[in-house]
Parts: sequence; structure tokens; C-alpha cells
Amino acid sequence: AQKVTQAQTEISVVEKEDVTLDCVYETRDTTYYLFWYKQPPSGELVFLIRRNSFDEQNEISGRYSWNFQKSTSSFNFTITASQVVDSAVYFCALSEALRGGNQFYFGTGTSLTVIP
Amino acid sequence: EADIYQTPRYLVIGTGKKITLECSQTMGHDKMYWYQQDPGMELHLIHYSYGVNSTEKGDLSSESTVSRIRTEHFPLTLESARPSHTSQYLCASSEEGATNEKLFFGSGTQLSVL
Repeated sequence: AQKVTQAQTEISVVEKEDVTLDCVYETRDTTYYLFWYKQPPSGELVFLIRRNSFDEQNEISGRYSWNFQKSTSSFNFTITASQVVDSAVYFCALSEALRGGNQFYFGTGTSLTVIP
Repeated sequence: EADIYQTPRYLVIGTGKKITLECSQTMGHDKMYWYQQDPGMELHLIHYSYGVNSTEKGDLSSESTVSRIRTEHFPLTLESARPSHTSQYLCASSEEGATNEKLFFGSGTQLSVL
């Protein structure tokens, strides 16, 4: 079963529009971590945020914000006033403890295109 | 700002060739990982290591092998490449026991087997 689901495969928005990328996860662990990574055309995955399961506070970083809701097992990512440079593939990921280390599970990614 | 490097960036080879994808990190991280990324973007864990002389297979079965003789180096080898091995290979590392553990990724190797 898929542990991290990103239902949106591709999204296109016009520059300056707001856009929300959805992420739903599945885990039986009480302690886990959620992440968002950005993969620009260059290929490298860039870390955006890490959230632990005990901290449900929403976070804002500039134009980026994240909404973590344990009740719905969701960790959605919103970009406000999108820009062309935001065009990339975005991955949501879940980390669970695995016999001495953490196992990371990635969603299938959402490809965001911001049209100028 | 990640100090993790993969070479080559692109590789086109013929079927049956032996290849090694290099991955090195200068952060002193104990944990290293190899992910295979399909053209449809999904990442699959194929190998991981928790330190020197430690290697484990990941969720996705792979004909590749890895070695971890030195902390900073985690090469992946395909003894006989096939077209089905065509994919993007991403190396990553993380720090053992870090309270804010996260994966640092290299730029990837895009492999095409003809």
C-alpha cells in the first residue's frame, strides 16, 4: 500500500496565483516525520521542510506554508503568489523508524508549472 | 548547500556493459541511500547503508549492488546493464541520530542503456 499519496500529478497555474499541493500519508507509528522536497529541472531534490508528528502547528516561510492535520493524515503545501521559479516537481515524504534508522517513503510527486 | 556528489551526471551505454555510479559525501554522514526514479517521477529505495561495511536492499528489487568501504563513498554497480535499467539514480545521505534528520540528495545520474 502506498504510504504517501500525492493525488495531483500535474498542476498548472498562472503566475501570482496561489496553489496548494496535497499530501496524504499512512502510518501506524506514533512518532514519524513528514517532509516536502522540491526537484527543479536540474534534478537535485532540495529539502523544504521537516515536521514531526507531535507538532501540528502550521508553518509559514515566506511564500510557502504548510498545513499539517493528523486527523486527516494530511500535510498540504501552499505556495502563495506563485512565481515561474516555483516550477518544479514537489515530493512529499514520510519517515518512520526502522530498526536503528529511519526509512523514508516518497509520494509520486506533483509537477507544478507556473505560467508567466 | 548539500555536499553530496554524483558522477557521471549522464551516462549512455550499450547493453551488457558493467557500470559503476559514483556517490560521495563530505558531511561525514553514516547513512547513505540509493533511489531509483522512474520516468513517471516516483522514487524507489533500492539500497541503503547505515555505515561502513553495512549494506541493505531497499523496497524495490534491483540487480545492482553497492559497497560501503569508506564512510564518504557509496558506489552502485551494475554488472551487466540492460535497457530496463534506464532510469535516474539518486544518491542521498543523512546524519545518524540527528534530531532533525533529513535526506540530502545529489544531483543524480541519468542512465540510458541502449
